[in-house]
Amino acid sequence: NAGVTQTPKFQVLKTGQSMTLQCAQDMNHNSMYWYRQDPGMGLRLIYYSASEGTTDKGEVPNGYNVSRLNKREFSLRLESAAPSQTSVYFCASTRQREIGETQYFGPGTRLLVL
Amino acid sequence: AQSVTQPDIHITVSEGASLELRCNYSYGATPYLFWYVQSPGQGLQLLLKYFSGDTLVQGIKGFEAEFKRSQSSFNLRKPSVHWSDAAEYFCAVEVTGGGNKLTFGTGTQLKVEL
Repeated sequence: NAGVTQTPKFQVLKTGQSMTLQCAQDMNHNSMYWYRQDPGMGLRLIYYSASEGTTDKGEVPNGYNVSRLNKREFSLRLESAAPSQTSVYFCASTRQREIGETQYFGPGTRLLVL
Repeated sequence: AQSVTQPDIHITVSEGASLELRCNYSYGATPYLFWYVQSPGQGLQLLLKYFSGDTLVQGIKGFEAEFKRSQSSFNLRKPSVHWSDAAEYFCAVEVTGGGNKLTFGTGTQLKVEL
């Protein structure tokens, strides 16, 4: 099993450009999450999908959209990138959206917005 | 709202020495508590978690953590650190009724001197 995979690994954008970060998991998990990691701030939840066909906002959703394409895939879209969105983005998944579930993380996408 | 504090941003220990990473949480009841590790360039991996019962929890890679309700703490320990333990460590909490969302601390960067 590959676990949670993310593409691309690195990306440089200019302000105003758009892009989609891809995430896929092969563990048959129901719930998926997108986080951003900034220095000195830990991880913050952007959006999550409790199950296929549902998505909900997390702590910092502004400037992002998500799509739960199917059970395996959960994408994050930046419609008009801003320098404040320079960050490392992590996708994660859990078997169920239940308290205490272990989250399995992908390796991250490093995004620089100029 | 719940919060997590990791008071040490950086810690340096010698290989073979013991390690304790501090974590304090703020929440009215006992939350679900987690420790994750992030190796350079990698995603986060669960070390251990605590829900209830025995307050000393064993995890992977020889780590353990002790829950102390009176101190609102969940400190991570290892008796003898290996060079491969150099990484960033995150404490996280999850609370009932919190939408199954993890709240992360800001992380502690561990450096191991040979």
